[in-house]
Amino acid sequence: GDSVTQMEGPVTLSEEAFLTINCTYTATGYPSLFWYVQYPGEGLQLLLKATKADDKGSNKGFEATYRKETTSFHLEKGSVQVSDSAVYFCALSDRDQAGTALIFGKGTTLSVSS
Amino acid sequence: NAGVTQTPKFQVLKTGQSMTLQCAQDMNHNSMYWYRQDPGMGLRLIYYSASEGTTDKGEVPNGYNVSRLNKREFSLRLESAAPSQTSVYFCASRQPGRTVQYFGPGTRLTVT
Repeated sequence: GDSVTQMEGPVTLSEEAFLTINCTYTATGYPSLFWYVQYPGEGLQLLLKATKADDKGSNKGFEATYRKETTSFHLEKGSVQVSDSAVYFCALSDRDQAGTALIFGKGTTLSVSS
Repeated sequence: NAGVTQTPKFQVLKTGQSMTLQCAQDMNHNSMYWYRQDPGMGLRLIYYSASEGTTDKGEVPNGYNVSRLNKREFSLRLESAAPSQTSVYFCASRQPGRTVQYFGPGTRLTVT
């Protein structure tokens, strides 16, 4: 079945450092790909998405490119801030999956210090 | 426009007790979902409802039941709570024809 694998954390960075969180996927269909973010004590918020190969999703300085050839959707940010400290989830949605439910990776905790 | 709301925010149950988690959305979405979040496991689908009047099992449905009361509301019931059901529960909804899901703030449930 479909699955998502993302790098395990925690990831600890200093403010203004470059961030990469790796995400790869396995899917039988043509999935849409997402990054969701969960700030401490809150629910999940959509950070960015891409619906087809070579699409780049971007939001709040974060970017991710849908790479079909490497089945990847790595999250990057050029200069992280303390306020970016959160748990980041890579997810896919495949219309061939029952209910078009989201399939999540296990999450990566990012901690940014000043 | 409140989006997706969930009640309660926190709950402590004893083993064997029952309870219902409530979820409502005001975005006129057809599809609604219940997920559970456990440390190191990501989120896993419990049940979903593709439209009013229909419900289907997800990846981890054992020990749960659901009701799609109307288009707005989708409740999750634990008939006899077990410690293994200690988790954070999230409700989500989706607009027809779109893949993005919108999440509620979650219910943190502890079963002792």
